[in-house]
Amino acid sequence: QQQVKQSPQSLIVQKGGISIINCAYENTAFDYFPWYQQFPGKGPALLIAIRPDVSEKKEGRFTISFNKSAKQFSLHIMDSQPGDSATYFCAASMSTSGTYKYIFGTGTRLKVLA
Amino acid sequence: GAGVSQSPSNKVTEKGKDVELRCDPISGHTALYWYRQSLGQGLEFLIYFQGNSAPDKSGLPSDRFSAERTGGSVSTLTIQRTQQEDSAVYLCASSSVGGREQYFGPGTRLTVT
Repeated sequence: QQQVKQSPQSLIVQKGGISIINCAYENTAFDYFPWYQQFPGKGPALLIAIRPDVSEKKEGRFTISFNKSAKQFSLHIMDSQPGDSATYFCAASMSTSGTYKYIFGTGTRLKVLA
Repeated sequence: GAGVSQSPSNKVTEKGKDVELRCDPISGHTALYWYRQSLGQGLEFLIYFQGNSAPDKSGLPSDRFSAERTGGSVSTLTIQRTQQEDSAVYLCASSSVGGREQYFGPGTRLTVT
């Protein structure tokens, strides 16, 4: 119930293409869904986040689509660039006694070909 | 402003030794989290501190792991009698009061030989 399932494990996209990464969860108590980007040797950096009362959120080339009934959410990277090559993690959290700890997916390694 | 900092960046230790990992959160952030990232795995929650409240230790994998936070700022994660399976990157994150966004440090890569 606490798991967040992420797919695919790895993804190769041509420059200018659309990268799509999917996550699914079971626990309907989750109420905050962030996406993180991680480059080798660095800590994860917050990319974009969404709450379940919104079906879509867009920031620049990055869009989260959220399907509450299916308990799924996805990250879309439009016009993918070689600089987007990184590992992406989805996460989910809920307010449990004030602890907003994240449950992370297992990550997607994205490679954008020049 | 300065982000979350962690030290050391790399630590190699022999099996059975104790190690201490340090985290300096963003100034003013009251919440502090420790996560562990094993090779090929996602990030696994370890422990959470919020102000002067009792920490949430629900993610600590064994009693060899402990953490403290002094003065509501710097935190130290201690692993006693290290085992090879403890090898991982240990990440610290902080957030503001009531904030859902967590800001991560660069991590400490621990290798137990």
